[in-house]
Amino acid sequence: DAKTTQPPSMDCAEGRAANLPCNHSTISGNEYVYWYRQIHSQGPQYIIHGLKNNETNEMASLIITEDRKSSTLILPHATLRDTAVYYCIVSTGRWGKLQFGAGTQVVVTP
Amino acid sequence: GAVVSQHPSWVICKSGTSVKIECRSLDFQATTMFWYRQFPKQSLMLMATSNEGSKATYEQGVEKDKFLINHASLTLSTLTVTSAHPEDSSFYICSAGLQAGETQYFGPGTRLLVL
Repeated sequence: DAKTTQPPSMDCAEGRAANLPCNHSTISGNEYVYWYRQIHSQGPQYIIHGLKNNETNEMASLIITEDRKSSTLILPHATLRDTAVYYCIVSTGRWGKLQFGAGTQVVVTP
Repeated sequence: GAVVSQHPSWVICKSGTSVKIECRSLDFQATTMFWYRQFPKQSLMLMATSNEGSKATYEQGVEKDKFLINHASLTLSTLTVTSAHPEDSSFYICSAGLQAGETQYFGPGTRLLVL
């Protein structure tokens, strides 16, 4: 069973920020929070990951709560090309297995 | 950096034949690679973990004699679907982990159709 819970779908207006929530209440101390996305008929694309601190890169920001039981992925300015299924996964790092749940289908509309 | 390729991108074969899928890390060495399968409208399911120079570790319910995995070098892992049947038709995706870091990068996937 997936260790994370995400809403099944979200709509977002183009140009606006998209905030994707994820609950991982059973996360262990050595587990990272990873975010990937999958555009239709393609392999998953790495977005960002974090352990305790908030992280930001050119694609997104990751906000992890202090108790690490939930996190939020922020796409600062959504574009139509951000339409995809977004997966939040907890794992022990590079040797850890990635267990994919159902993810959140994000649709960005003009 | 961190590019993973797969070959072929799609393949159609007759029932009973074997199909080999290659997964390559193009700009980094990957001690560990993973193989996933995705059926239509479903999420990715991990099939096996492939370690360079050793036997692969298969997930529960995945037949190791049907899905042969070879990881002969730090940049190449192969998945062979032996005696393929229509129910093996799926989207097969590999990932590779950076040796220095915590991230896995995925290939573009191989779509297999068994007639």
